[in-house]
Amino acid sequence: DAKTTQPNSMESNEEEPVHLPCNHSTISGTDYIHWYRQLPSQGPEYVIHGLTSNVNNRMASLAIAEDRKSSTLILHRATLRDAAVYYCILGGNKLVFGAGTILRVKS
Amino acid sequence: EPEVTQTPSHQVTQMGQEVILRCVPISNHLYFYWYRQILGQKVEFLVSFYNNEISEKSEIFDDQFSVERPDGSNFTLKIRSTKLEDSAMYFCASAQTGGGYRGSNQPQHFGDGTRLSIL
Repeated sequence: DAKTTQPNSMESNEEEPVHLPCNHSTISGTDYIHWYRQLPSQGPEYVIHGLTSNVNNRMASLAIAEDRKSSTLILHRATLRDAAVYYCILGGNKLVFGAGTILRVKS
Repeated sequence: EPEVTQTPSHQVTQMGQEVILRCVPISNHLYFYWYRQILGQKVEFLVSFYNNEISEKSEIFDDQFSVERPDGSNFTLKIRSTKLEDSAMYFCASAQTGGGYRGSNQPQHFGDGTRLSIL
């Protein structure tokens, strides 16, 4: 399984944008880039995914580098409810979760 | 919005007993999964299931584990003889398609989990 690298934690102020980075230098040509998040005491929640082009949905935007070796999840205006662990995952029929990035949002 | 539901939310069982965790996936989904998360650790893949058979399983999913889709709606995980180390949150997920080994482009939708406590 291709590996991803994310910062252990990040902090943001409420109402400000947040850019969560992910490195995946060993990504293969057919690997989709998925982002999930896990709020406290809940199951993982799908956020967004993409292959080559940048993607937008109601929750977030995904910016994918031209060489696909890195990507950035963008939350346009962080709220307290966005405090969670964010996972960047490649592939696949099975999801391989790493430790993710703990996002703290300050009011 | 349709969601994956899991019951019970908390299950307490004596070591050595059998336990069945239940899941109702989203109705038009065809791919089903179980994951677990030991307290303070990463979410781990256990098994994927499609067309009434296991499509992939992890090393964790040994002979004491089994999965079944007994009717058109439920998806169950059975642990035959529970051990202390089976204590964890167990998450069920479903997806419209699986997409094969790589290249899945459909999100997996997770339930809120069953907390399994083995005494």
